[in-house]
Amino acid sequence: ELKVEQNPLFLSMQEGKNYTIYCNYSTTSDRLYWYRQDPGKSLESLFVLLSNGAVKQEGRLMASLDTKARLSTLHITAAVHDLSATYFCAVSRDDKIIFGKGTRLHILP
Amino acid sequence: DGGITQSPKYLFRKEGQNVTLSCEQNLNHDAMYWYRQDPGQGLRLIYYSQIVNDFQKGDIAEGYSVSREKKESFPLTVTSAQKNPTAFYLCASSIEGGNSNQPQHFGDGTRLSIL
Repeated sequence: ELKVEQNPLFLSMQEGKNYTIYCNYSTTSDRLYWYRQDPGKSLESLFVLLSNGAVKQEGRLMASLDTKARLSTLHITAAVHDLSATYFCAVSRDDKIIFGKGTRLHILP
Repeated sequence: DGGITQSPKYLFRKEGQNVTLSCEQNLNHDAMYWYRQDPGQGLRLIYYSQIVNDFQKGDIAEGYSVSREKKESFPLTVTSAQKNPTAFYLCASSIEGGNSNQPQHFGDGTRLSIL
């Protein structure tokens, strides 16, 4: 059974600091996705990671994938308040796409 | 503009009642999904469909039913057998399911509550 675990589940950090969110999954996977959700809203796609060693960056966010370790990271550089949201990773296998519980990120001014 | 439309935005269910949540997409996507979101639980997969007239159970299908009679539509019925239906329901679609290089597109969700 495919399981996806994120940590931490809650993160409060100061503006300007760096931090990393971790996403572990239990079996081999075809794809890994990162999404952002603002309170009461739907999900917005951030990154799709397709292969071992893949790295993608958009602004202050950078995602990477290590398929051998079954681990993806979402790194936040010099956080700003606008990045406050819940971040989800999701993993696909055999046409199913399974989500982690999400990391609620709160960035303090 | 292409996208996914979920309706209604808010829905109330009485005890013993079945209710149906609508999900329509005009993205020409083959795969569609229903997820349930509870606080602190993330998104849990209810049902998914790769092609018309075919669908599979996800991790929490009990008390729910779906149909896929048209490519554009994937309605979810919450039956009276679902004893704790209060949640935020999200519909998603993707070009070609779990093997897609593209992400899922999500609707704005339906918030279901018990009266």
